[in-house]
Amino acid sequence: QVQLVQSGAEVKKPGASVKVSCKASGYTFTSYYMHWVRQAPGQGLEWMGIINPSDGSATYAQKFQGRVAMTRDTSTSTVYLELSSLRSEDTAVFYCARPRLSNSYYNAMDVWGQGTTVTVSS
Amino acid sequence: DIQMTQSPSSLSASVGDRVTITCRASQSISGYLNWYQQKPGKAPKLLIYGASNLQSGVPSRFSGSESGTDFTLTVSSLQPEDFASYYCQQSYSTPHTFGQGTKLEIK
Repeated sequence: QVQLVQSGAEVKKPGASVKVSCKASGYTFTSYYMHWVRQAPGQGLEWMGIINPSDGSATYAQKFQGRVAMTRDTSTSTVYLELSSLRSEDTAVFYCARPRLSNSYYNAMDVWGQGTTVTVSS
Repeated sequence: DIQMTQSPSSLSASVGDRVTITCRASQSISGYLNWYQQKPGKAPKLLIYGASNLQSGVPSRFSGSESGTDFTLTVSSLQPEDFASYYCQQSYSTPHTFGQGTKLEIK
């Protein structure tokens, strides 16, 4: 079955970086884009960006430009989200999510990872 | 960026009620509007895509509609498991912005 399994919770100090992984299984990894979505405690969903696992190209929300990097490893069917210069406001759950349709950028997300909690605290 | 304005932010209703949540886009999104349900501590779940298409496995009491830049999610008869938060999202252009969310609570 199609599944996205994310890495475990992280605790980081302000100014540090975090790298979250999302391992895909049950489908052709390079045929589907992957989104990253953030949710701060008690808050709504925030779209961070999208990566094309086929060629590694990524588009980021302006808010995160310069601090975010989305990468992939096709040998392990894993995408990564790295966020740097962490501050307390970055404390959140981070989700990877796959679009419904292959090779399509403009789709709803129908498969989600379980979420990774990142806590930024001194 | 396209802004998605969702209302109400919270809603109290009873089992069996019909409820409606609305979402307005700041510009045309050509029907690229999706609805998600989220329960506490869980990942969001896709309910409706393309404004009015029911995702596989989602009960038929959920429906979506569009009128220009206004979109509606309707639950025809609330069930106990429907009490959750709901989010709209546009996937027309990046950033794929979400609405602020609606928390549906039991009256």
